[in-house]
Amino acid sequence: NAGVTQTPKFRILKIGQSMTLQCTQDMNHNYMYWYRQDPGMGLKLIYYSVGAGITDKGEVPNGYNVSRSTTEDFPLRLELAAPSQTSVYFCASSYGGTSYEQYFGPGTRLTVT
Amino acid sequence: GQQVMQIPQYQHVQEGEDFTTYCNSSTTLSNIQWYKQRPGGHPVFLIQLVKSGEVKKQKRLTFQFGEAKKNSSLHITATQTTDVGTYFCAGPSGGSEKLVFGKGTKLTVNP
Repeated sequence: NAGVTQTPKFRILKIGQSMTLQCTQDMNHNYMYWYRQDPGMGLKLIYYSVGAGITDKGEVPNGYNVSRSTTEDFPLRLELAAPSQTSVYFCASSYGGTSYEQYFGPGTRLTVT
Repeated sequence: GQQVMQIPQYQHVQEGEDFTTYCNSSTTLSNIQWYKQRPGGHPVFLIQLVKSGEVKKQKRLTFQFGEAKKNSSLHITATQTTDVGTYFCAGPSGGSEKLVFGKGTKLTVNP
């Protein structure tokens, strides 16, 4: 099992550009999450999904969109990138809700200049 | 909304010294989880505590859940350089399916 995979590992965007961060898990987990981590800070939830076709906002959803068409994939879309979106983005999955451990991907380091 | 606070934010120790990080929630938690993130890495699950007053050990790591289920601690005995990283606690956000993470305690160990 590869676990949770994320692509790309690094990306530099210009202000106003758009991109999609890919996340795939092969553990047949229903729950998937997107977090951002700013330097020296904790993890802030952007969006999450409890199953295919179901998504919901987290703490910091503005400027992002998600979709969940399959159990395995949970892409995060950045529209009109801004410097404030410079961060490390982690995708995570879990078997169930908050009673289950979350498995994190290796992260995508994004810089917007 | 619910807040999870961790102290200290940073801790620097000499190898062999003990280390403790504390986690406090503004609300009662049904469970609390602890994660470790090595420098440049991703968070990795360490443990979950569920019962009031629960104590769990993993080798040199001791985890406690408070009697009121609003606080928790992680204690490392005789730190080693392999313990370096940031330790996060996380608790459920009310009745939702979301975890709220503390800001973490960054541990550095001087050999």
